[in-house]
Amino acid sequence: KNEVEQSPQNLTAQEGEFITINCSYSVGISALHWLQQHPGGGIVSLFMLSSGKKKHGRLIATINIQEKHSSLHITASHPRDSAVYICAVGLWGAQKLVFGQGTRLTINP
Amino acid sequence: EPEVTQTPSHQVTQMGQEVILRCVPISNHLYFYWYRQILGQKVEFLVSFYNNEISEKSEIFDDQFSVERPDGSNFTLKIRSTKLEDSAMYFCASSEGNEQYFGPGTRLTVT
Repeated sequence: KNEVEQSPQNLTAQEGEFITINCSYSVGISALHWLQQHPGGGIVSLFMLSSGKKKHGRLIATINIQEKHSSLHITASHPRDSAVYICAVGLWGAQKLVFGQGTRLTINP
Repeated sequence: EPEVTQTPSHQVTQMGQEVILRCVPISNHLYFYWYRQILGQKVEFLVSFYNNEISEKSEIFDDQFSVERPDGSNFTLKIRSTKLEDSAMYFCASSEGNEQYFGPGTRLTVT
């Protein structure tokens, strides 16, 4: 069983739509990370969460520790948001990150 | 803004050859990591390094792999005798706490 599961695996939407990507995990974590990977392969950290909600521009990330679930929302989506969005968790007592398989988001103009 | 850098961006090598992937972490960070991503698969942890020693490693990180911080700035990953299945994107990351900052990656192609 994967420790980190994301859904959906692929998501195609029209420009302007509200986007939600979900992440569930099965282990105790110290923090949850949302990352963005562009076609060139580089990884950019978007958020690190251990509770509640964070907002940065059009991106919002929430986490429910009791339910072991996090969501990444994108408001007013734009074609430049097209990328792979990855959920990763830091495990208690460890420094490594465990990654989900990623959600490939395509925003069409 | 400080960033993690990696060189080279792309390395092509023949099976059995040794490769060294280089990383320059963010200068005040104390924790360093290597991850890899085989094409089409998820990112996997290889090794973490703190206080000049390996603090954690995965089952992937066998005797063919080694890491070193040869000076105050570089952090290297060496693969002694590359195999075809070592072809992947290798990411370095550094942190001073929980938040890890990733480099742009080195694409390793083993032929």
